[in-house]
Amino acid sequence: DSGVTQTPKHLITATGQRVTLRCSPRSGDLSVYWYQQSLDQGLQFLIQYYNGEERAKGNILERFSAQQFPDLHSELNLSSLELGDSALYFCASSGEDPYEQYFGPGTRLTVT
Amino acid sequence: GEDVEQSLFLSVREGDSSVINCTYTDSSSTYLYWYKQEPGAGLQLLTYIFSNMDMKQDQRLTVLLNKKDKHLSLRIADTQTGDSAIYFCAEGSNDYKLSFGAGTTVTVRA
Repeated sequence: DSGVTQTPKHLITATGQRVTLRCSPRSGDLSVYWYQQSLDQGLQFLIQYYNGEERAKGNILERFSAQQFPDLHSELNLSSLELGDSALYFCASSGEDPYEQYFGPGTRLTVT
Repeated sequence: GEDVEQSLFLSVREGDSSVINCTYTDSSSTYLYWYKQEPGAGLQLLTYIFSNMDMKQDQRLTVLLNKKDKHLSLRIADTQTGDSAIYFCAEGSNDYKLSFGAGTTVTVRA
């Protein structure tokens, strides 16, 4: 158990809908990272937050957004969902040693 | 990720050593990682090595880095059935975002 929690574990929704994925980092970790794992694209970095501020952006679609709250939990919002958004979404966190990213169990999103 | 490549499959006999190889292209990579993913689970950080190191050993795991050839390997000694998983190589630089390879599925046979 990495100490990073993600909810929900599974999510099934229809095309065009909007969902919110939630992540709680390890206690004391200030950085949160979001990654997408899909069969065709593999594991891709989406976005990073540090202590509430966006720090780095990767291959994140404009339909996707994220934020980190004062209590350091983070949410990833996915809107106008398409079939191709079906994937595993991982959250990771890091603390004083930013080189060590610890991953949560992931949220499996299925868009039908 | 397109910048990190690794072979897709490895089959090894229980008790033997496993060697998983990875190549990367980004010469500015500062840290190289190995993560393990078991079925239905998240990614477990196994080990990482800084680019100024050649080798790192941690119990049954040995990481070798050839920076000139941009080649990273993970050796698992005395491979056990519990080592069956997908192993991901990843590289990171000072912006801390990681680029992952496609993963190597390791199957341990009795």
